[in-house]
Amino acid sequence: DARVTQTPRHKVTEMGQEVTMRCQPILGHNTVFWYRQTMMQGLELLAYFRNRAPLDDSGMPKDRFSAEMPDATLATLKIQPSEPRDSAVYFCASGLVSGAILDYGYTFGSGTRLTVV
Amino acid sequence: GDSVTQMEGPVTLSEEAFLTINCTYTATGYPSLFWYVQYPGEGLQLLLKATKADDKGSNKGFEATYRKETTSFHLEKGSVQVSDSAVYFCALSALGSQGNLIFGKGTKLSVKP
Repeated sequence: DARVTQTPRHKVTEMGQEVTMRCQPILGHNTVFWYRQTMMQGLELLAYFRNRAPLDDSGMPKDRFSAEMPDATLATLKIQPSEPRDSAVYFCASGLVSGAILDYGYTFGSGTRLTVV
Repeated sequence: GDSVTQMEGPVTLSEEAFLTINCTYTATGYPSLFWYVQYPGEGLQLLLKATKADDKGSNKGFEATYRKETTSFHLEKGSVQVSDSAVYFCALSALGSQGNLIFGKGTKLSVKP
């Protein structure tokens, strides 16, 4: 089965440090999402891309978060500077959207568990 | 705006019990509906889907029927197993949403032997 690959799986960093999370979407998928999951807030949409172009990043704190797709095989999510409240599991998901309709759901990666101390 | 409401958990059942997890939605038009499952320490996996009214999605013994008249997509399983213990998320993708998925808050299911 095709998989969405996220690295690293776990990251512990000190407050103020830069954190970069990477995602390799499934080949042929044209849409990539970044979600954040915490016990308190549940699943939050941070940003998503269609054909590598950002469609919506309104869920991201703009002053410290940035998301990019430098090419079709790589999506990145950066936090600079990181803060303890950023501690969460960050998921990437990819899928194929034709027109404006999602028919088949998205495939999620296993996530990056980030702890900022 | 579009939204999904799931029954609050946690839900604790004995093995072989009947499962229902309620999900209702609010959306313009006719969204596609999904159930995802998240096992401990893993990402979400698509469990089943339905794209139009009266469609029934099914997988691994789980079923859900797209009910337009009640705007619902309840998840059911006739006989749960310990291995079904996980968090279940209902989600929708509305027409015109650019494929964005809107998730419910999730329902944690624990099945005891």
